[in-house]
Amino acid sequence: AQSVSQHNHHVILSEAASLELGCNYSYGGTVNLFWYVQYPGQHLQLLLKYFSGDPLVKGIKGFEAEFIKSKFSFNLRKPSVQWSDTAEYFCAVNDLTGGGNKLTFGTGTQLKVEL
Amino acid sequence: DAGITQSPRHKVTETGTPVTLRCHQTENHRYMYWYRQDPGHGLRLIHYSYGVKDTDKGEVSDGYSVSRSKTEDFLLTLESATSSQTSVYFCAIGANTGELFFGEGSRLTVL
Repeated sequence: AQSVSQHNHHVILSEAASLELGCNYSYGGTVNLFWYVQYPGQHLQLLLKYFSGDPLVKGIKGFEAEFIKSKFSFNLRKPSVQWSDTAEYFCAVNDLTGGGNKLTFGTGTQLKVEL
Repeated sequence: DAGITQSPRHKVTETGTPVTLRCHQTENHRYMYWYRQDPGHGLRLIHYSYGVKDTDKGEVSDGYSVSRSKTEDFLLTLESATSSQTSVYFCAIGANTGELFFGEGSRLTVL
């Protein structure tokens, strides 16, 4: 079964610092890739998604992610974080090889942005 | 926000009692999912449904059952709740692309 690794469990940054969160999935094939965000006390919301085409995808609030197929990676980036970006971030993979009906999530990265 | 309603939003129960969580959607999506969220584990799939009366197990299905008698409703049942089932439960709806829309969550505490 597909698995997803997020290497950073807790990240603390100052406002205006750059952000990169790592995400790797376990094996190749055709996949759809996602980053979800969960603000404190809220449900998960879609941040961005990759289905095909340009491997650099842009999402909401200035976030972007790059799909590198050879590395099975889909890292999330933001050039300058804000205090309001404090949240938990989840990478997720939908393996279309197996029918594509189930999302597998990473364990999440807790981001805290300090003023 | 997608039209997903979970109930109850909070529940405290005792070990050994049955519990049913309800997910209701107004979006007519074919796929519905139940996940549990626990610190250090992220979200783990319990069960999902790909149509009325069509369900399948996820990675942590032991101790849980589901039913979907109507497109709009997906019920998650804990036949005999245990303390290990204390968690936040999220319902999600979506297409087979994997893009999901999540409900607000149901926080369950089993004493």
